[in-house]
Amino acid sequence: DADVTQTPRNRITKTGKRIMLECSQTKGHDRMYWYRQDPGLGLRLIYYSFDVKDINKGEISDGYSVSRQAQAKFSLSLESAIPNQTALYFCATMEGNTEAFFGQGTRLTVV
Amino acid sequence: AQTVTQSQPEMSVQEAETVTLSCTYDTSESDYYLFWYKQPPSRQMILVIRQEAYKQQNATENRFSVNFQKAAKSFSLKISDSQLGDAAMYFCASRRTGTASKLTFGTGTRLQVTL
Repeated sequence: DADVTQTPRNRITKTGKRIMLECSQTKGHDRMYWYRQDPGLGLRLIYYSFDVKDINKGEISDGYSVSRQAQAKFSLSLESAIPNQTALYFCATMEGNTEAFFGQGTRLTVV
Repeated sequence: AQTVTQSQPEMSVQEAETVTLSCTYDTSESDYYLFWYKQPPSRQMILVIRQEAYKQQNATENRFSVNFQKAAKSFSLKISDSQLGDAAMYFCASRRTGTASKLTFGTGTRLQVTL
């Protein structure tokens, strides 16, 4: 099983719908992150959390919200999806001075 | 804040040849880490190599090595004996040391490997 698991892997949704992307990890890391990848823009940070009681906005948090339900779970929500939120979304974890560990990504299409 | 710049959107290399991908960064931190990640068509993010800024010696992992120039804030990736499986998107990234840190990415370089 993967250390960082994202569900769903692919999703098509309609404009205006609420959608939740889920992330769970078995690495025991406190720090979790949500990134968005767009062609030509690389990965940009949406939200991050350093522990269960800590939530921080990243550089592109507008239109998104998150919930850290437990150390192992960090969910990203789009309250009212719009087409320019079509992207590849990654969850990642990190601990100490290690590198980041990524989930498999969620391809989200908003039509 | 940290910034990472990759100025080559696409690169191409022939199989068995050597290619160098460029990356520059900007940071006010004295201690930090630099990374190269590979993203194949499977879209998985795979760590290729990491470099601690306090180490003068360039990191090496098999066919992958870096040229770390701290004063110039440059961190290029050299791939030797290129293979078809090296074709992917490559991202340069940086983070400062410590627990309260975030990973900042460049915009990526797409590497093609030709026969």
